[in-house]
Amino acid sequence: GAGVSQSPSNKVTEKGKDVELRCDPISGHTALYWYRQSLGQGLEFLIYFQGNSAPDKSGLPSDRFSAERTGGSVSTLTIQRTQQEDSAVYLCASSSDFGSPLHFGNGTRLTVT
Amino acid sequence: EDQVTQSPEALRLQEGESSSLNCSYTVSGLRGLFWYRQDPGKGPEFLFTLYSAGEEKEKERLKATLTKKESFLHITAPKPEDSATYLCAAGSARQLTFGSGTQLTVLP
Repeated sequence: GAGVSQSPSNKVTEKGKDVELRCDPISGHTALYWYRQSLGQGLEFLIYFQGNSAPDKSGLPSDRFSAERTGGSVSTLTIQRTQQEDSAVYLCASSSDFGSPLHFGNGTRLTVT
Repeated sequence: EDQVTQSPEALRLQEGESSSLNCSYTVSGLRGLFWYRQDPGKGPEFLFTLYSAGEEKEKERLKATLTKKESFLHITAPKPEDSATYLCAAGSARQLTFGSGTQLTVLP
């Protein structure tokens, strides 16, 4: 089937607005990750979901960031009161279990003006 | 703290000119060393996983090797279509830590 799907592919928002980014993982993958990639930078880990376990939120940069995963499938990353430094590409990935290769979507490019 | 460092940051090769990319890592409890290829505007595409020192994996013109402290991605007789950013990532018990990548340009 299909790979990891992310929407929207591009999002332009004004400073202070809230945004929601969506990720549809590969069917049957129990692990789901969010990463952030800024221009010229490596991928920065944000949050990790594994099955029904409590998510690893250790990478979220501030309490303006939150994520949920409903029904063990679709995930939404929410950024409240966006700031210009939030501008980046947000990548979602899924894997069949921890330690298996991650399969990435093409990301959402977020621009905060 | 887990760390992954890649070098060089950028590499320009002539078509057919072989070279190697380096990935040095410090992680507590390595569970896998991953190589990815990333094209502009796309998400990273999985290439290889290496699990133990001495392991090697090959795919077309690419060969990845692993020691206890670093991994190399060898590119033999590259072609222009090999131009991309190559990322390595080291997985520990907690998470996957990525390097900043090597931007490879292969000139015809």
